[in-house]
Amino acid sequence: TQLLEQSPQFLSIQEGENLTVYCNSSSVFSSLQWYRQEPGEGPVLLVTVVTGGEVKKLKRLTFQFGDARKDSSLHITAAQPGDTGLYLCAGDVYTGTASKLTFGTGTRLQVTL
Amino acid sequence: DTGVSQDPRHKITKRGQNVTFRCDPISEHNRLYWYRQTLGQGPEFLTYFQNEAQLEKSRLLSDRFSAERPKGSFSTLEIQRTEQGDSAMYLCASSLSKVMTGNTIYFGEGSWLTVV
Repeated sequence: TQLLEQSPQFLSIQEGENLTVYCNSSSVFSSLQWYRQEPGEGPVLLVTVVTGGEVKKLKRLTFQFGDARKDSSLHITAAQPGDTGLYLCAGDVYTGTASKLTFGTGTRLQVTL
Repeated sequence: DTGVSQDPRHKITKRGQNVTFRCDPISEHNRLYWYRQTLGQGPEFLTYFQNEAQLEKSRLLSDRFSAERPKGSFSTLEIQRTEQGDSAMYLCASSLSKVMTGNTIYFGEGSWLTVV
């Protein structure tokens, strides 16, 4: 079983600040996804990274997949209250016949005015 | 809306009763997943289907749980003789697996179960 650890678990910052969330594992993943989840709702996909060293940008969000495909980071620039939510990373191991997504422990972000 | 849909969104049931959740995946997706999420935790894998075949089941899926995807389209998750520990959000997700672009999974809004 792959274990994905996220840090920090909780983060409370003010509007305009920058932050980075980390997702680490000892396992290698075929791909890794980041989701954002609001209370009472399902996770909403933000990005999928596939190639080691890959960097993807989504407006103020920058996602990086580690060279060894064992870790990832999410950087938010100039955070806004609308960024508040639970951020989840999830790693996928694809063997050609079987695949499942293993989720990290989550980072709960609160952005205040 | 062509996303993953789940029904019902909320269910309150008495301990010992059976409950069934339905999931309609994105139409062209061949894989369908069930996850369970409790407060403060990330989703935990329960089981998944490739078309109509159930390919993997987690140890979390006790004998009281059964999932089906009879025609490779919608799926049902049934919990028999519910217990208070079954209270959680049950998430369905689907994907169209592609080797080179990863297995991006899209989630439904979840079905909340409260066992009283």
